[in-house]
Amino acid sequence: DTGVSQDPRHKITKRGQNVTFRCDPISEHNRLYWYRQTLGQGPEFLTYFQNEAQLEKSRLLSDRFSAERPKGSFSTLEIQRTEQGDSAMYLCASSFLTGVNSPLHFGNGTRLTVT
Amino acid sequence: DQQVKQNSPSLSVQEGRISILNCDYTNSMFDYFLWYKKYPAEGPTFLISISSIKDKNEDGRFTVFLNKSAKHLSLHIVPSQPGDSAVYFCAASKHQGAQKLVFGQGTRLTINP
Repeated sequence: DTGVSQDPRHKITKRGQNVTFRCDPISEHNRLYWYRQTLGQGPEFLTYFQNEAQLEKSRLLSDRFSAERPKGSFSTLEIQRTEQGDSAMYLCASSFLTGVNSPLHFGNGTRLTVT
Repeated sequence: DQQVKQNSPSLSVQEGRISILNCDYTNSMFDYFLWYKKYPAEGPTFLISISSIKDKNEDGRFTVFLNKSAKHLSLHIVPSQPGDSAVYFCAASKHQGAQKLVFGQGTRLTINP
């Protein structure tokens, strides 16, 4: 179990640029989640996948945000035309779908700063 | 609309004593509750959970209590150790297995030697 891996750890970009983050979940986990955390707040749900299917998206996920999980393995989160309000920690988590509750395992996040 | 609230932003406890972290929720549909611990520059780490069919769950030094009528849960850590110093998040979800968690704002716990 190598844990959930996120890349990059930090990203500084100028307003209006596009950015893409990658998440590699724990290998046997079939559910993958994206959360966003701003200073002084808890993580907020953005979207989740079961295998390659994106099953739910939060209202927080504007049209500028898109997430994919091709082949049900790693996932990417792209933000187009970044705004200063997009500055946050983007967290990826994975879990194993079973008949009982399976806690989410989080990566260390990608910290995005939009200047 | 803050469905999960942690009203204490910070808590300071002496080493060896009991730490009690509190969490309130408003949505009666929540049926699964979790506590996560977060160190600086790391992601949240799962600590302990409880289903709504129980009122207590214990794992070593950590115990979570659930009071459904009051929509309140608490995390007890005893004895508290310096390594417990971290930010603790309470989280809740509506459907077992769906895992779309709603988090509180967090409580920063500091254990003093």
